Amino acid sequence: QLVESGGGLVQPGGSLRLSCAASGFTFSSHWMTWVRQAPGKGLEWVATMNEDGSKKYYVDSVKGRFTVSRDNAKDSLFLQMNSLRVEDTAVYFCTRDDDNGWYHAYWGQGTLVTVSS
Amino acid sequence: QSVLTQPPSASGTPGQRVTISCSGTSSNIGSNSVNWYQLLPGTAPRLLLYRNNQCPSGVPDRFSGSKSGTSASLAISGLQSEDEADYYCAAWDDSLKAWVFGGGTKLTVL
Repeated sequence: QLVESGGGLVQPGGSLRLSCAASGFTFSSHWMTWVRQAPGKGLEWVATMNEDGSKKYYVDSVKGRFTVSRDNAKDSLFLQMNSLRVEDTAVYFCTRDDDNGWYHAYWGQGTLVTVSS
Repeated sequence: QSVLTQPPSASGTPGQRVTISCSGTSSNIGSNSVNWYQLLPGTAPRLLLYRNNQCPSGVPDRFSGSKSGTSASLAISGLQSEDEADYYCAAWDDSLKAWVFGGGTKLTVL
């Protein structure tokens, strides 16, 4: 099970930290990913991290502003979002990736981030 | 503009077979496998197919996939009303070092 939290309303330029609590599987054995869906839009990949955090990948639009991290001792994935923009408004999903990260096998319900003044 | 190209909509009647295409390039679909996801309103996205044509447990075998060159397709046979949803293809892009998604296809069961 994956449960996201930390979403909310924030002003442009502000920060938020999203969390994803994992349970029911060995968290430290899986790549993890954040994917978002803006209102009325399609899915957009945001960031991916490997099992031990040594590999991180980001979509160009969030590089330098967002940081993905994980705490394997607490079975948790995080997304620190700084310098938020209106276009970051979306539902953010965390995913468990299987087969060494080759597909997003399980998804959480998502948490809504709204960036607005 | 999505990196992978899907038709914005598709439709069919119950019992029909429907296919949804996904077109990419040599750096994504041409080099890596394609996964498909189903989004039903108000629910978490669900993995439908992985590695081009592999069905996760719990997904009916009415869903099948194929890949050829830089294109892939999802086929749904014996269409049912509960199949009405948005469908997305995705693949890793070796040049972008990024996951890329299609723009999504809204399937309507008439």
